[in-house]
Amino acid sequence: SQQGEEDPQALSIQEGENATMNCSYKTSINNLQWYRQNSGRGLVHLILIRSNEREKHSGRLRVTLDTSKKSSSLLITASRAADTASYFCATDANPYTGGFKTIFGAGTRLFVKA
Amino acid sequence: EAQVTQNPRYLITVTGKKLTVTCSQNMNHEYMSWYRQDPGLGLRQIYYSMNVEVTDKGDVPEGYKVSRKEKRNFPLILESPSPNQTSLYFCASSLTTPGGSNEQFFGPGTRLTVL
Repeated sequence: SQQGEEDPQALSIQEGENATMNCSYKTSINNLQWYRQNSGRGLVHLILIRSNEREKHSGRLRVTLDTSKKSSSLLITASRAADTASYFCATDANPYTGGFKTIFGAGTRLFVKA
Repeated sequence: EAQVTQNPRYLITVTGKKLTVTCSQNMNHEYMSWYRQDPGLGLRQIYYSMNVEVTDKGDVPEGYKVSRKEKRNFPLILESPSPNQTSLYFCASSLTTPGGSNEQFFGPGTRLTVL
């Protein structure tokens, strides 16, 4: 079953605006990662946040993690048309029950209008 | 160049005709994995391998087989493909298993159609 669930499913914004995507998960995790996918292509890693971290920045990306709510958010500031893509969160399964699986959510499709 | 390669990139086949999708990585990664991506469902893990000769099922292993005889290669085998296996398939690798601090590197994808 899918652990990571992103919302919204789709987001359309104007260039220059900020985009926020959320991810929820069900079990305890060691880390949570965000990936980006341009249409039909392979995923590219954006950022990893560990379970003992609350916030992390990388360029225009800001990720937060709330382990008490089992949720994370990805903020893209000052969006550009080139940010148009699908964004996925990924978590690791509990190794005692789920082995060494990686669980991806269904993704958020972001469209940035120029 | 560090990369994950998959072949073929596109494949149209018929029900029941065995096929193999190859995956190779040149980064000396221990962990390799296969995913399928279907509209609205995100990526679902089919099988993964923690090292040579060590493989385990993901969330949707039915109808698939894998092998890991060499560290760099992790082929996906469909012994008797069916139309519900029509999908976009991705191979990925990472230095160590999930739970560490390692990102997964993804191949370009294989678009499979089973008629």
